[in-house]
Amino acid sequence: QIQLVQSGPELKKPGESVKISCKASGYTFTDYAMHWVKQAPGKGLKWMGWINTYTGKPTYADDFKGRFVFSLEASASTANLQISNLKNEDTATYFCVGGTWFAYWGQGTLVTVSS
Amino acid sequence: DVVLTQTPPTLSATIGQSVSISCRSSQSLLHSNGNTYLNWLLQRPGQPPQLLIYLVSRLESGVPNRFSGSGSGTDFTLKISGVEAEDLGVYYCVQSTHAPPWTFGGGTKLELK
Repeated sequence: QIQLVQSGPELKKPGESVKISCKASGYTFTDYAMHWVKQAPGKGLKWMGWINTYTGKPTYADDFKGRFVFSLEASASTANLQISNLKNEDTATYFCVGGTWFAYWGQGTLVTVSS
Repeated sequence: DVVLTQTPPTLSATIGQSVSISCRSSQSLLHSNGNTYLNWLLQRPGQPPQLLIYLVSRLESGVPNRFSGSGSGTDFTLKISGVEAEDLGVYYCVQSTHAPPWTFGGGTKLELK
């Protein structure tokens, strides 16, 4: 069956960087785009952007331009999200999402930014 | 960007009760190709969201048929015909007609009365 498995929780200090991975299985990786969604503690869902898994071209939502980078390791069926110069407001659970209609979700990766 | 407004923000229900959640869009979600790209998700506590309904009214595989979606243009409704305990959580509508960006509603929390 189709699965998206994300890397584990991270505890970081302000100004540091973090890289989250999302490994896909059960389908051809390039068949679906990969989206990233942020959920701050106790809040709703916010779309961060997506990456074309065939061409590698990323598209970022306006609020996620600059410090956020989507990348691929296509040979490993893996999508990555890197956040640099972390801020307290980056504390959130980050989900990778694939499939048409947002059908497939990773389990989420909690990133905590605290001094 | 399209703004999706969900009401009510919180919904209290008893087991077996039928309930409805509204999702109103700031602009029509009818795409020029004739499709309306409005989906519904359920996020149970501590879990990632799961897809319930896509294209307004199409039930995702494996989703119980007590869930149904309806609507057109700017007004959409998710109905649960006979709430069960496993239905508790937060419901979100999401649109992709005018993507990017994909936009989510603010969520409706379904809890037990």
